[in-house]
Amino acid sequence: GAVVSQHPSRVICKSGTSVKIECRSLDFQATTMFWYRQFPKQSLMLMATSNEGSKATYEQGVEKDKFLINHASLTLSTLTVTSAHPEDSSFYICSASLERGIFLAGDTQYFGPGTRLTVL
Amino acid sequence: KQEVTQIPAALSVPEGENLVLNCSFTDSAIYNLQWFRQDPGKGLTSLLLIQSSQREQTSGRLNASLDKSSGRSTLYIAASQPGDSATYLCAVRRGYGQNFVFGPGTRLSVLP
Repeated sequence: GAVVSQHPSRVICKSGTSVKIECRSLDFQATTMFWYRQFPKQSLMLMATSNEGSKATYEQGVEKDKFLINHASLTLSTLTVTSAHPEDSSFYICSASLERGIFLAGDTQYFGPGTRLTVL
Repeated sequence: KQEVTQIPAALSVPEGENLVLNCSFTDSAIYNLQWFRQDPGKGLTSLLLIQSSQREQTSGRLNASLDKSSGRSTLYIAASQPGDSATYLCAVRRGYGQNFVFGPGTRLSVLP
C-alpha cells in the first residue's frame, strides 16, 4: 500500500523558534496534501489544504503567516511553524491524496505517522 | 458545515464482549466514510472504508455499516480483546480530493 512519511516524528523547541515538518508520499505522487493538528484529548482538525504548485488554502482561524505551507513537488509538502509558542504544541498529521480519477477507483488518502511538537 | 459526532465518548468492556460504536454526521452528501484507530500518542490506522454507494464493509472481527440517508454509521467489534483498546475515530469526506472531517472519537478499553 501507499506510504506517507513525516519528519521529524518528534521535536522539542524553545519559544520563538521556527520548526519545519516534512510530509512525503514515498511511492506515489500527490497533487493534494492536507495538514491536520490534534490537541491533547481532542480530535483531528483540518488546518490547511496544500496543492502542488499553488498557494495553500487555510481553514478559518489558522494563521497563514504563522503556519507556512510549501508544496513544491508532487511528493513533498512542508509545514513551517514560525515563531512557535507553547500553545502551538500539538500533534501534526499530514495526509496525501492518491487520485485515480473520479470515474475510476476514486481517490484514497494516506496518513503520515504524525509529528509531535512541544514548544517550551 | 459538516459535523461528526460519536457515541459513546468512552467505553469500558470485559474481554470477549461484542460492542458497537456509533457515528453520526449532519450532511448526508458524503463521498465516503472511514473508521480509524488511534493508539495513545500515535498516528492513525485505517480500519474500514465505506464508499457512499456501499452499505457495509467487513474485515476480520470488524464490521462497519453506513446509512447515508440518516447520517449514521456503526462499527461493530466482535469478541473484543485487550489489544483492541484504543481511540476509534470516524471521519467523512464530502467529495473526491477533499479533506476528512473527523469525529471526536470513542475511547475504548477492553479489560482482560
